[in-house]
Amino acid sequence: SQQGEEDPQALSIQEGENATMNCSYKTSINNLQWYRQNSGRGLVHLILIRSNEREKHSGRLRVTLDTSKKSSSLLITASRAADTASYFCATTGAGTALIFGKGTTLSVSS
Amino acid sequence: EAQVTQNPRYLITVTGKKLTVTCSQNMNHEYMSWYRQDPGLGLRQIYYSMNVEVTDKGDVPEGYKVSRKEKRNFPLILESPSPNQTSLYFCASTGPGGVYEQYFGPGTRLTVT
Repeated sequence: SQQGEEDPQALSIQEGENATMNCSYKTSINNLQWYRQNSGRGLVHLILIRSNEREKHSGRLRVTLDTSKKSSSLLITASRAADTASYFCATTGAGTALIFGKGTTLSVSS
Repeated sequence: EAQVTQNPRYLITVTGKKLTVTCSQNMNHEYMSWYRQDPGLGLRQIYYSMNVEVTDKGDVPEGYKVSRKEKRNFPLILESPSPNQTSLYFCASTGPGGVYEQYFGPGTRLTVT
């Protein structure tokens, strides 16, 4: 069962620009996480935001969570070519499974 | 170094030939799970394990088996692989309850002909 839905599916920007990705989900959650995946490789955890938090920062990453709208956004500031990857949101709710969206593919060109 | 390892990384096999993909973690994590990733479908959970001898089905368990005899290992077994199981497989582990950040293995690319 797909829970998260990322938007846009693909995003192309220039180095130095900001990248914003959105995630919507369907049911109530305990927390929401964002992961990055470089082509064909394992996923790397970026940031976790709990359901009682509204905003969280980690380096160039800023995540917001709006539980009333069941949505989250990931902002990457001052993008670099190395940020080129797919980004997934994932949620944990009443059950234990981490449910992933289909991802946003980010391309950062120099 | 904290890590999740998977073997093999690449595997090409034929329909019906039993295979096992191993997964091992060195972080003493209770929770482990297997995912498959397919284009356009994202990651889908196959099976998960809350602890030793405790396993449960995820979203797409058909055609797969798992076992959890030791805390560190969580092998994925395909008793009779079929072409629709051609996919990229990931093992992951995390702390109790599975609600924390997950650590992923490097992936196993399986092709069933």
